[in-house]
Amino acid sequence: EPEVTQTPSHQVTQMGQEVILRCVPISNHLYFYWYRQILGQKVEFLVSFYNNEISEKSEIFDDQFSVERPDGSNFTLKIRSTKLEDSAMYFCASSWDRDDEQYFGPGTRLTVT
Amino acid sequence: AQSVTQPDIHITVSEGASLELRCNYSYGATPYLFWYVQSPGQGLQLLLKYFSGDTLVQGIKGFEAEFKRSQSSFNLRKPSVHWSDAAEYFCAVGAGGGADGLTFGKGTHLIIQP
Repeated sequence: EPEVTQTPSHQVTQMGQEVILRCVPISNHLYFYWYRQILGQKVEFLVSFYNNEISEKSEIFDDQFSVERPDGSNFTLKIRSTKLEDSAMYFCASSWDRDDEQYFGPGTRLTVT
Repeated sequence: AQSVTQPDIHITVSEGASLELRCNYSYGATPYLFWYVQSPGQGLQLLLKYFSGDTLVQGIKGFEAEFKRSQSSFNLRKPSVHWSDAAEYFCAVGAGGGADGLTFGKGTHLIIQP
């Protein structure tokens, strides 16, 4: 069964550093998403991406964040200058259609020290 | 803005017993509703979804959920739990054609006693 994959599974970085989280969505899906879950809190929507541009973003997704689909398979989330409060589990998801089921990856745990 | 409340942070159930996980949502129109399950180290797996039609929805692994508009609820049920059902369960609401992102509840941690 096709699945969403994410790398790395765990990333440790120092405050102020740039990080790139990588995702490979399901191959025929058209919509791509990033969510995050701070430890002990709810999963929060960050951004959705369709047709090579951001479709929707939440208040969390400020200028420090960016997304890109650099080729036909990868979907990346970049945090330019990480802060301690960026420590969280980041989930990538994809769907065939906007109203369809979103398939989630296993997540990348980001730890900012 | 839409919101989801899962009032139970932890629930402990004996193996073979029935299960009900509660979910209440706040949304102005008819929502799209989902239940996801997360096992340790795994991503979020969809158990079932409600878009429209029959308010009793069947999902995978023997789960079902009932949409009750009058109570703004979408509770998840299973008649007999198995040890492998131990996991974190998330209820989520989506606005369908109006928005892309799902709004999640905080989750309910299900513990199965032998």
